[in-house]
Amino acid sequence: DAKTTQPTSMDCAEGRAANLPCNHSTISGNEYVYWYRQIHSQGPQYIIHGLKNNETNEMASLIITEDRKSSTLILPHATLRDTAVYYCIVSPHNAGNMLTFGGGTRLMVKP
Amino acid sequence: DVKVTQSSRYLVKRTGEKVFLECVQDMDHENMFWYRQDPGLGLRLIYFSYDVKMKEKGDIPEGYSVSREKKERFSLILESASTNQTSMYLCASRLGTSNYYQETQYFGPGTRLLVL
Repeated sequence: DAKTTQPTSMDCAEGRAANLPCNHSTISGNEYVYWYRQIHSQGPQYIIHGLKNNETNEMASLIITEDRKSSTLILPHATLRDTAVYYCIVSPHNAGNMLTFGGGTRLMVKP
Repeated sequence: DVKVTQSSRYLVKRTGEKVFLECVQDMDHENMFWYRQDPGLGLRLIYFSYDVKMKEKGDIPEGYSVSREKKERFSLILESASTNQTSMYLCASRLGTSNYYQETQYFGPGTRLLVL
């Protein structure tokens, strides 16, 4: 029973902004939205997380809708090295905090 | 920067062998995790540990055991490897405060295990 839904794949031109959407319509009030990415043959890498306010760091921006039912990860100037699978995760509020990675979005940045 | 290292990037073992996968983190994190990643199935949690000598089963613990004798080290053990344990194994660690749901998990590079 998936907590998030993401498109299977997306393409983006190098140098352009990549906007990756995620739906999480059953998110609870104290659950955070996390984004990770996994470059081929490497472990997942943390990108950003947020609760309800928009967040920005050196890697990306996270826009969360007011009703918190969806969010968008923005890579402002995608490079070829940003080609990866991007996972949107809603953190559970139980003690185990097991990160559940779904299928993610395979972002292909093209020259 | 947090560093999570795993003992091997690639490993080939035979059915029935005992396999040890080691994970070490250098940031004094309380919590450590072992996942396996298979195509189409995402990451699945095998075991996790809140603290030294403490362990909890994840979603798919069968066929695996773990050991956490020191805070920085979390070992995954396949008592008798089988071909269906061929997979990518990922270790992760997390600081482990009471605000755990705000915390990032940091992952190692993974160990790709092939059981023949």
